[in-house]
Amino acid sequence: GNSVTQMEGPVTLSEEAFLTINCTYTATGYPSLFWYVQYPGEGLQLLLKATKADDKGSNKGFEATYRKETTSFHLEKGSVQVSDSAVYFCALNHAGNQFYFGTGTSLTVIP
Amino acid sequence: GAGVSQSPRYKVAKRGQDVALRCDPISGHVSLFWYQQALGQGPEFLTYFQNEAQLDKSGLPSDRFFAERPEGSVSTLKIQRTQQEDSAVYLCASSLRDTSYNEQFFGPGTRLTVL
Repeated sequence: GNSVTQMEGPVTLSEEAFLTINCTYTATGYPSLFWYVQYPGEGLQLLLKATKADDKGSNKGFEATYRKETTSFHLEKGSVQVSDSAVYFCALNHAGNQFYFGTGTSLTVIP
Repeated sequence: GAGVSQSPRYKVAKRGQDVALRCDPISGHVSLFWYQQALGQGPEFLTYFQNEAQLDKSGLPSDRFFAERPEGSVSTLKIQRTQQEDSAVYLCASSLRDTSYNEQFFGPGTRLTVL
C-alpha cells in the first residue's frame, strides 16, 4: 500500500541553522510527492512538489529532491528564519484520488 | 481569488448529537476531498468526489459518517450520533482535476469537539 514516514519532531533550531526533515515513502507505481506547511492558526499550504524521479521541488529557500532509489523526499533549507516555524507534512499522491500524509514535524526557530 | 472555505470553524456537540460540516471548494474545481486530522497527526483520507459522484468513501470510519455533493460544488459532511472519538479537525480540499500531480487546496478546517 501507500504510506509516508516522516521524521518525528519537535525540531528546534537557531535562526540561520541548516534544516533537514526526513521523509521516506512506500508506494505502488510512481507517485507525486509534496511538502505541505501549516503555520500556526492557518490551514495547510503547498510548499513544494515533485512529480517524477530526480525532480527537485523548491520554494521560499526550501528544496526537496525525489529520490526513487532511496524512496525519499527529504526537505532542506540552508538558513532557517523565525518565520519558518510551522508544522511540515510530507505527502504522496499516487492515483489522484487521495493524499497520504506523514504525521507532521513541528519546527520552532529561535532568534 | 477565494480559496476553500469551511463552516463552522468550530463546533461543540454533545455526544449523540448530529452535526453537519460544510465545504465550499474553489470555483471550477472538479475534485473534492474530506480528511480527518486528529491532534498531533497528519490528515487521513475520508472520502472523495469527482463533481457530484462520490468515487471513494473507503476512509469513512463508520456508517455514522455520510458525505454529499449534490450539485458538484458545495459539499456537506454529516456525522450522526457523534462520539467522543469523532473529535478532530475535519479538512476539506479541492483540486482542479484528479491527477496525481495536481496539488490539493485545503480549507482552514472545522474543529469538532464532542463532549
